Amino acid sequence: EVQLVESGGGLVQPGRSLRLSCAASGFTFDDYAMHWVRQAPGKGLEWVSGIGRSGSVLGYADSVKGRFTISRDNAKNSVYLQMNSLRAEDTALYHCTKGFASFDFWGRGTLVTVSS
Amino acid sequence: EIVLTQSPGTLSLSPGERATLSCRASQSVSSSYLAWYQQKPGQAPRLLIYGSSSRATGIPDRFSGSGSGTDFTLTVSRLEPEDFAVYYCQQCGTSPYTFGQGTKLEIK
Repeated sequence: EVQLVESGGGLVQPGRSLRLSCAASGFTFDDYAMHWVRQAPGKGLEWVSGIGRSGSVLGYADSVKGRFTISRDNAKNSVYLQMNSLRAEDTALYHCTKGFASFDFWGRGTLVTVSS
Repeated sequence: EIVLTQSPGTLSLSPGERATLSCRASQSVSSSYLAWYQQKPGQAPRLLIYGSSSRATGIPDRFSGSGSGTDFTLTVSRLEPEDFAVYYCQQCGTSPYTFGQGTKLEIK
């Protein structure tokens, strides 16, 4: 059974940092690109960043470029999102998802709230 | 950045009716990289269509996708009660990958 389990979310003050993790199981992790997609409360989906099978970064949304860094550890079947200089507008549910030309499985997400 | 514009914003229909959802791109998108997702309240999105017209595993054949270039369509041939949800299109051909703003399909 495919599983993607996100962790690391929480309440953080503006300007601070947070690191999200996503633990994958049930599939051959290093066969897939991995992505982070977020959804602000009551809003639509926003692709945040993606990373290729061997660790090449596929890109970042303009809204997070220069502040967020994606990485992966194929030995640990995990993907990470380092989020620096957090802003109120980064408040969202962050989903981990897999795929290249489409995202065929999604985790339930981890909630990040940026507030003083 | 490729902007995807979905229409209508909200579609009110009855079970048994046909739904047609549109996704228009600001520049050409390869059909191989256009996908559709369904999201119900409190749930993660679910992949419905990939490659603009291929159904994902387990998706009923009442869902179909079509289109090319800048105009893509998701059709639900005969609505079932469980189909009322929000639908998003997405392009993965050009980074940054982008989603449409969504179409809410509601019961009339």
